[in-house]
Amino acid sequence: AQSVTQLDSHVSVSEGTPVLLRCNYSSSYSPSLFWYVQHPNKGLQLLLKYTSAATLVKGINGFEAEFKKSETSFHLTKPSAHMSDAAEYFCVVSDPSGTYKYIFGTGTRLKVLA
Amino acid sequence: DSGVTQTPKHLITATGQRVTLRCSPRSGDLSVYWYQQSLDQGLQFLIQYYNGEERAKGNILERFSAQQFPDLHSELNLSSLELGDSALYFCASSKTGGPAEAFFGQGTRLTVV
Repeated sequence: AQSVTQLDSHVSVSEGTPVLLRCNYSSSYSPSLFWYVQHPNKGLQLLLKYTSAATLVKGINGFEAEFKKSETSFHLTKPSAHMSDAAEYFCVVSDPSGTYKYIFGTGTRLKVLA
Repeated sequence: DSGVTQTPKHLITATGQRVTLRCSPRSGDLSVYWYQQSLDQGLQFLIQYYNGEERAKGNILERFSAQQFPDLHSELNLSSLELGDSALYFCASSKTGGPAEAFFGQGTRLTVV
């Protein structure tokens, strides 16, 4: 069965410092992995996706993630946090067993301090 | 704007009642997914339809049902509502039933009182 584990439920960073949100996955297949962001009272927006092409994936708003098969990780990073990055972030694996439904991690709430 | 439209945005109803949530997918998307987001359960997959047919079922209660119509819009019906059904219900759509990215609507916030 596919699953994702987001290692931190809350992360706080100062504005202008790097962001690291950690995600480990478990998959019997070659996975498709995604990061979504949810701002307060908003829907989910796709940040980036990995679908077996380049292992370093660049997304919107300066975010990127690196797929590391040996570590079964797909951590999200950004060099410099902005106040507008404060939100909840979800790591997602797509279940390839015929349905491709999304399996969500429990989320990491990012707080950006001025 | 993701292109996925959900109505209504907010719904307040009493226990025991029945409600219908509506989702219009992005133009050209054949697959529709429903998710429930609650504080204690996180984001849970409920059900998926692809081109009018049920493709997958997740943690969907028997009191809940869904369908996808010929014009590809989808409805999620929730009946005999309980306080614990209060949640944010998201619809998402994708072009295929495969690993394409899904685009999410803004959600319907259901409050059962």
